[in-house]
Amino acid sequence: DSGVTQTPKHLITATGQRVTLRCSPRSGDLSVYWYQQSLDQGLQFLIQYYNGEERAKGNILERFSAQQFPDLHSELNLSSLELGDSALYFCASSGSGNIGETQYFGPGTRLLVL
Amino acid sequence: DQQVKQNSPSLSVQEGRISILNCDYTNSMFDYFLWYKKYPAEGPTFLISISSIKDKNEDGRFTVFLNKSAKHLSLHIVPSQPGDSAVYFCAASGASGGSNYKLTFGKGTLLTVNP
Repeated sequence: DSGVTQTPKHLITATGQRVTLRCSPRSGDLSVYWYQQSLDQGLQFLIQYYNGEERAKGNILERFSAQQFPDLHSELNLSSLELGDSALYFCASSGSGNIGETQYFGPGTRLLVL
Repeated sequence: DQQVKQNSPSLSVQEGRISILNCDYTNSMFDYFLWYKKYPAEGPTFLISISSIKDKNEDGRFTVFLNKSAKHLSLHIVPSQPGDSAVYFCAASGASGGSNYKLTFGKGTLLTVNP
């Protein structure tokens, strides 16, 4: 158990809909990262937050957005969903988010868009 | 453009023998490398890391070797155990694309250790 929790574990929705994925980092960690893992791709970095502020952005679509709240939990919002958005979405956390710092991953949310 | 490549999708070894997983990278700005292990239905778990100022790092049965000139790293598991059967991801971070903080992952290698 990494100490990172993600809800829900599974999500099934329809194209065009909007969903929210939630992540609680390990106790004491200030930085949260979101990753997407689709069938034919490795883990793709989406976005990083540190203490409520966006710190780095990766391959995140404009239809996706995220935020980190004062209690440090984070939400990833996916809107206007398409079939290709079906994937595993992982959240990870680390202490300060600096380079080389180990990231601890949650169990993931499996999203299926029908 | 895949900056971190794991060219072997799968590897099968006998229990007790050595497992060698390979990883190549193209971005010379990467200066920190990590290996993660992933079991089905779980998130990746950190295994071992190496900074670019070193060429070897060891932790128990796991050793990571880094060859900067070849832009190549490898993970050695000795001796391999059936519980090591998992997908292994190589990841790198560094001052690439203006974002030091993100990890760039390879697509993973499925290791199967046969009893």
